[in-house]
Amino acid sequence: DTEVTQTPKHLVMGMTNKKSLKCEQHMGHRAMYWYKQKAKKPPELMFVYSYEKLSINESVPSRFSPECPNSSLLNLHLHALQPEDSALYLCASSNDRASSYEQYFGPGTRLTVT
Amino acid sequence: AQSVAQPEDQVNVAEGNPLTVKCTYSVSGNPYLFWYVQYPNRGLQFLLKYITGDNLVKGSYGFEAEFNKSQTSFHLKKPSALVSDSALYFCAVRGGFQKLVFGTGTRLLVSP
Repeated sequence: DTEVTQTPKHLVMGMTNKKSLKCEQHMGHRAMYWYKQKAKKPPELMFVYSYEKLSINESVPSRFSPECPNSSLLNLHLHALQPEDSALYLCASSNDRASSYEQYFGPGTRLTVT
Repeated sequence: AQSVAQPEDQVNVAEGNPLTVKCTYSVSGNPYLFWYVQYPNRGLQFLLKYITGDNLVKGSYGFEAEFNKSQTSFHLKKPSALVSDSALYFCAVRGGFQKLVFGTGTRLLVSP
């Protein structure tokens, strides 16, 4: 099973709202990722968690706050977003062993900030 | 820094014909290379990878890729294209610990 699930599929929020995106995988992967993708562009890495600890933050604004409650779950908390934050947010996971560096992506959450 | 380039924004091919989507890479050390496909409003699906070994790598949905060290290329191929193969294709390289560096993407359009 190479499935990564994400909820919700779509989210519309105002600039003063607080919302959260959720991601789950049951492949036993110990690395999990958040990406932001604009239309017809490649994904941009935001955060990486490795063994439930934040290992990479790509200078993401503090209005995005990641959380990894356990090895299967990854959240992205959103607060005071801007319209330019509207995008497809992708979660991914990998087991990060040599010969298995590929990342498996979820279907994404389409976020619209109004 | 590790990077990949996809020189074609779009590739058009007729159904049943062979298809090639091009990717070239620039790395220091051994390259770890990947191909992903993305259908509209969906996440990326892993197709195949090259880590080491045979230069011809077989992947999902009948796709294969040829690693060419002298030409620093990793082109994606399929012997017979299907309309359902129409999608956005991304080449990627491992760009450091836990990082993938993606190309700009190539849109593949397969006409009936």
